[in-house]
Amino acid sequence: GEDVEQSLFLSVREGDSSVINCTYTDSSSTYLYWYKQEPGAGLQLLTYIFSNMDMKQDQRLTVLLNKKDKHLSLRIADTQTGDSAIYFCAEKVTGGFKTIFGAGTRLFVKA
Amino acid sequence: GAGVSQTPSNKVTEKGKYVELRCDPISGHTALYWYRQSLGQGPEFLIYFQGTGAADDSGLPNDRFFAVRPEGSVSTLKIQRTERGDSAVYLCASSPTGRGNKNIQYFGAGTRLSVL
Repeated sequence: GEDVEQSLFLSVREGDSSVINCTYTDSSSTYLYWYKQEPGAGLQLLTYIFSNMDMKQDQRLTVLLNKKDKHLSLRIADTQTGDSAIYFCAEKVTGGFKTIFGAGTRLFVKA
Repeated sequence: GAGVSQTPSNKVTEKGKYVELRCDPISGHTALYWYRQSLGQGPEFLIYFQGTGAADDSGLPNDRFFAVRPEGSVSTLKIQRTERGDSAVYLCASSPTGRGNKNIQYFGAGTRLSVL
């Protein structure tokens, strides 16, 4: 079945870049997403990428997609303490309406 | 409202009881999703509505779980004979449309269900 995997923790210093990685299994996924979840809150969409793209940049965020390896990454430039949260990678399942989420990567930003 | 609203925010119940969780989607959003999020995990898909009908309920874990959306807006997730393993945060999300689109979902803050 479909699966999305992410590393569980990442710790960076304020001002450094953060790179969060994700692998997925559905090679026909049309859209892949990054969501952010802060404590006690629901998920908030950060960015998404269509499967025919390799890269998407949005201000401090850069998404890289390697379809051959089914690997997605999110780079956050100039990471701030306010970026501390859990980041979820997700894929839209082909031919359906389901979105499959990874377990999330908890980002710690040290001042 | 401005966002997806879920009530109650917290629900404590006893094993074997019946609970209802409510979701008010963003006005005009035709697609609505329910997810369950256990501690340390990502959201797990339960059910998807397009309008009033459940287009995909393949994520419901068993027949104790049921969801309705009678008028294509507010949805209620119903859990019968609750078990301790049902304890989790139940998330609702809505999307402008579910067909052939980016499927961008807007999430509520969730209902934390605790079964004692």
